[in-house]
Amino acid sequence: SQTIHQWPATLVQPVGSPLSLECTVEGTSNPNLYWYRQAAGRGLQLLFYSVGIGQISSEVPQNLSASRPQDRQFILSSKKLLLSDSGFYLCAWLAGPKKLFFGSGTQLSVL
Amino acid sequence: KQEVTQIPAALSVPEGENLVLNCSFTDSAIYNLQWFRQDPGKGLTSLLLIQSSQREQTSGRLNASLDKSSGRSTLYIAASQPGDSATYLCAASQGGSQGNLIFGKGTKLSVKP
Repeated sequence: SQTIHQWPATLVQPVGSPLSLECTVEGTSNPNLYWYRQAAGRGLQLLFYSVGIGQISSEVPQNLSASRPQDRQFILSSKKLLLSDSGFYLCAWLAGPKKLFFGSGTQLSVL
Repeated sequence: KQEVTQIPAALSVPEGENLVLNCSFTDSAIYNLQWFRQDPGKGLTSLLLIQSSQREQTSGRLNASLDKSSGRSTLYIAASQPGDSATYLCAASQGGSQGNLIFGKGTKLSVKP
């Protein structure tokens, strides 16, 4: 069966520090992968999506970047975190033409 | 640009009550509409997905309807239970990629025993 893993579950980082969040999917190949962010008081916002290795599309201009070094690995990064980067980050994969499955999320607090 | 709105933002009901959560969207050209459940500090769990050609979907005590012409969807929960307490999110998908979902801010439901 297919599963999606995200880590870490929580992260507290100082302003200006780097960031690396990892997401991996098991049990499928060539999945469409997504990074969403849920900021306080706001709805979920699509940040990046990837349809294959090395292919990244960005939905909004921001301080973050994404990479897809392997078929089932999706990484969200920043060189220098801002306070506004705080939020709940969710990775997701597209299970065929029907449904989007989400990971358990990472709560990022930038202080 | 698609915008999704959910009303109310929060709802508290006694156990056993039937309830309706509302979702509206501004652009009727949607591919499908999904309802998700999110428990505190957790990821999203997909509850129901309604294709644009469908009017409703049912799963257990949940029933979701879709009216594209009026830009509305509702999630009906029958005989609510304390375990139903969570935030419910609706999301509209446009175009061929279902991952590019536009989410509402959610309705936080509390079912009191």
